[in-house]
Amino acid sequence: KQEVTQIPAALSVPEGENLVLNCSFTDSAIYNLQWFRQDPGKGLTSLLLIQSSQREQTSGRLNASLDKSSGRSTLYIAASQPGDSATYLCGASNTGKLIFGQGTTLQVKP
Amino acid sequence: NAGVMQNPRHLVRRRGQEARLRCSPMKGHSHVYWYRQLPEEGLKFMVYLQKENIIDESGMPKERFSAEFPKEGPSILRIQQVVRGDSAAYFCASSSEDRGYNEQFFGPGTRLTVL
Repeated sequence: KQEVTQIPAALSVPEGENLVLNCSFTDSAIYNLQWFRQDPGKGLTSLLLIQSSQREQTSGRLNASLDKSSGRSTLYIAASQPGDSATYLCGASNTGKLIFGQGTTLQVKP
Repeated sequence: NAGVMQNPRHLVRRRGQEARLRCSPMKGHSHVYWYRQLPEEGLKFMVYLQKENIIDESGMPKERFSAEFPKEGPSILRIQQVVRGDSAAYFCASSSEDRGYNEQFFGPGTRLTVL
């Protein structure tokens, strides 16, 4: 049974800092891994999708990596901004459904 | 290209009533997923549907909950005889089979409150 864990649960950083969010999963037989952000009271916005055959994906200031052998993915945010404040969720997919971690709530202080 | 649409955005029901939540996937998407986010808990998978077929319902409670995705029209998540514990945000996501992977795109959710 797939289990996904995200650490830390919460993170507070000053504006401009680079940061890393961690996601670990127990079953390496995943089809893909997807990172989302969720603003309070809102739905999920897809940030990056990494297929199982890939090792990383980049979009603007975001870079996500995937290491299936160790069961880990990281989301790197460069030069953080107050607008990055949100909850970040990772979801691991095998057989279609996404299994989510509990999320990391990020606060970027001006 | 409109995103995933869900309605209503907010729904209030009294215990024992029925709740119907609707989801229209993105244009061209034939796969729909329903997830539930309980207060202070993570997002949990409920059911995965394609047109007229339930592919995986391993996350659905055994009683009172049902889902469908008809040939025409939106996907419906139906909760009969609601109880206070059903109060949650219900999210729908859709994906296509384009390029052989299933990136999921989420709707804004329906927030159900049971009085």
